[in-house]
Amino acid sequence: AQKVTQAQTEISVVEKEDVTLDCVYETRDTTYYLFWYKQPPSGELVFLIRRNSFDEQNEISGRYSWNFQKSTSSFNFTITASQVVDSAVYFCALSEELTGGGNKLTFGTGTQLKVEL
Amino acid sequence: EAGVTQSPTHLIKTRGQQVTLRCSPISGHTSVYWYQQALGLGLQFLLWYDEGEERNRGNFPPRFSGRQFPNYSSELNVNALELEDSALYLCASSTDGPGTDTQYFGPGTRLTVL
Repeated sequence: AQKVTQAQTEISVVEKEDVTLDCVYETRDTTYYLFWYKQPPSGELVFLIRRNSFDEQNEISGRYSWNFQKSTSSFNFTITASQVVDSAVYFCALSEELTGGGNKLTFGTGTQLKVEL
Repeated sequence: EAGVTQSPTHLIKTRGQQVTLRCSPISGHTSVYWYQQALGLGLQFLLWYDEGEERNRGNFPPRFSGRQFPNYSSELNVNALELEDSALYLCASSTDGPGTDTQYFGPGTRLTVL
């Protein structure tokens, strides 16, 4: 069975600090996708990134960067120079292909990030 | 381009009642997924609809059902509401096809069962 573990329940930082959110996953699939979503207090899940299992290159997008390491089954997310607007719950998710071509996401329990002034 | 929309935003029902939640996918997306985010249980896959058919369902009882219309919008119905059905119900849409495509989520419907 698929499993995603986000061991950090809550992280508090001061604005401008860098912060890394950890994600460890378990799957028997050889091909899979990993995702990060952000959930602000409004509730909507905002897509941040998708990474496939064949691409272990790190990715940087502005203040966001992602470190995918297949050897340790980890897909960590770093926010550089955090801002108050980054405060949200962040979810890591793993895809599982369904019969018929769809996919379902298995989510971690989320990490609540609080960025304070 | 408009994102995924859901209605209503909030809903309060009493135990035993029935409820219908609605979702409109992003234009061009044919697959609709429903997830439940209940306190203490996290985000759980509920149902997947594609081309008007229910294609897969998660570990939920039959009183959770729904349908997808020809315009790809979808309804989620929950019968005989129980207190533990109180949750945020999120709808997501994606393009059709094999493999894994990104799911884009709507703002959710918050259901409270009293």
